[in-house]
Amino acid sequence: DIQMTQSPSSLSASVGDRVIITCRTSQNIEDYLNWYQQKPGNAPKLLIFAASSLQSGVPSRFSGTGSGTVFTLTVSRLQPEDFGTYYCQESYTTLGSFGPGTKLD
Amino acid sequence: EMQLVQSGAEVKKPGESLKISCKGSGYNFVRHRIGWLRQTPDKGLEWMGIIFPGDSDTRYNPSFEGQVTISADKSISTAYLQWSSLRASDTALYYCATRSHAAFDVWGQGTMVTVSS
Repeated sequence: DIQMTQSPSSLSASVGDRVIITCRTSQNIEDYLNWYQQKPGNAPKLLIFAASSLQSGVPSRFSGTGSGTVFTLTVSRLQPEDFGTYYCQESYTTLGSFGPGTKLD
Repeated sequence: EMQLVQSGAEVKKPGESLKISCKGSGYNFVRHRIGWLRQTPDKGLEWMGIIFPGDSDTRYNPSFEGQVTISADKSISTAYLQWSSLRASDTALYYCATRSHAAFDVWGQGTMVTVSS
């Protein structure tokens, strides 16, 4: 199984801040990495697929970079609606493991 | 608009059977794979399995194979997740989601399953 780690596990930030979340995988997954946002009481929402492709309807302040084993999600100017928990997910294997999450508050 | 609507919360006893559903609308149901995912405080999000409604081809995460059955009825655009004998450890929030670009892009609202004696 591919092991997924995220850092930080939690993050305090303010509106207008630039926020970077890192996801590391235990083996090379090329660009098979997705990012999701989940707010309390809601299902996860796809933000980024294939490491850097912005999902339709997602604001351009979200961006993703990386390949291989290290990936980042950047929120360029934090908005009030961006608070929540962020998960990375590998889609290189059929297991499609998720990271443990980064709580942004 | 693509939408998945899941069945409501369930409270069951250990050993009971259960089938929860996920109805798709706003798209051609048979052309998009639907996955089932489990979310718990302990283990986070886990992908359980996926079905292609067009031909019912189904793949399972080995951790869940034999524990659950995934099926679909394309005549009513609905996918299912079922258990023949629930355990307390099946207590979780379950999501269905369509798969596109190797990611889960449209999600249901979730079904909470509680198994307790």
